[in-house]
Amino acid sequence: QQPVQSPQAVILREGEDAVINCSSSKALYSVHWYRQKHGEAPVFLMILLKGGEQKGHEKISASFNEKKQQSSLYLTASQLSYSGTYFCGTEGLTGGGNKLTFGTGTQLKVEL
Amino acid sequence: DTGVSQDPRHKITKRGQNVTFRCDPISEHNRLYWYRQTLGQGPEFLTYFQNEAQLEKSRLLSDRFSAERPKGSFSTLEIQRTEQGDSAMYLCASSHHREYTQYFGPGTRLTVL
Repeated sequence: QQPVQSPQAVILREGEDAVINCSSSKALYSVHWYRQKHGEAPVFLMILLKGGEQKGHEKISASFNEKKQQSSLYLTASQLSYSGTYFCGTEGLTGGGNKLTFGTGTQLKVEL
Repeated sequence: DTGVSQDPRHKITKRGQNVTFRCDPISEHNRLYWYRQTLGQGPEFLTYFQNEAQLEKSRLLSDRFSAERPKGSFSTLEIQRTEQGDSAMYLCASSHHREYTQYFGPGTRLTVL
């Protein structure tokens, strides 16, 4: 079951904040967030594990609601370089760094 | 750490031909994953290795697809008798079994004419 991301697309002015949501219908062990620019590989941003552990970049924060199987990525004081498509990848309760099931993505564009 | 590398970056082939892609993971990573990504979609899992053992294959991976990782280092993905529906970006990622983060390579874009 593919996780559902919202919004599908968002346009920001530089300096504005954004929240991207990811919702799954199955119980999750971890949620991984990536940003992909056109024609490039997905770049790791953040991982959130069941039990509250988080690893990621300093300027990006995220939350993981284990009961609701939902995660949100918070982008603050957006910069032009934040533009791209954001994907959440989810891992079921078998855990262990196995396959990720990715959402359909959120296109983010930051303008001057 | 030079990151995950993939070769070739682009491949154009005619329907019915066989193609092979190579992935070199980050050197200390013992897990290697293959994903397929079509335009406007997120990556879809195909298969994954821990060392040289192929531990899981997606039902998306038909009999025409085969992947190997003979010495637990680089991996190859072969598609036999390519079809137009195989046109996609094929992404490789690697991780260490003690970590959870998968690092992606630049991908191989396949176009089947």
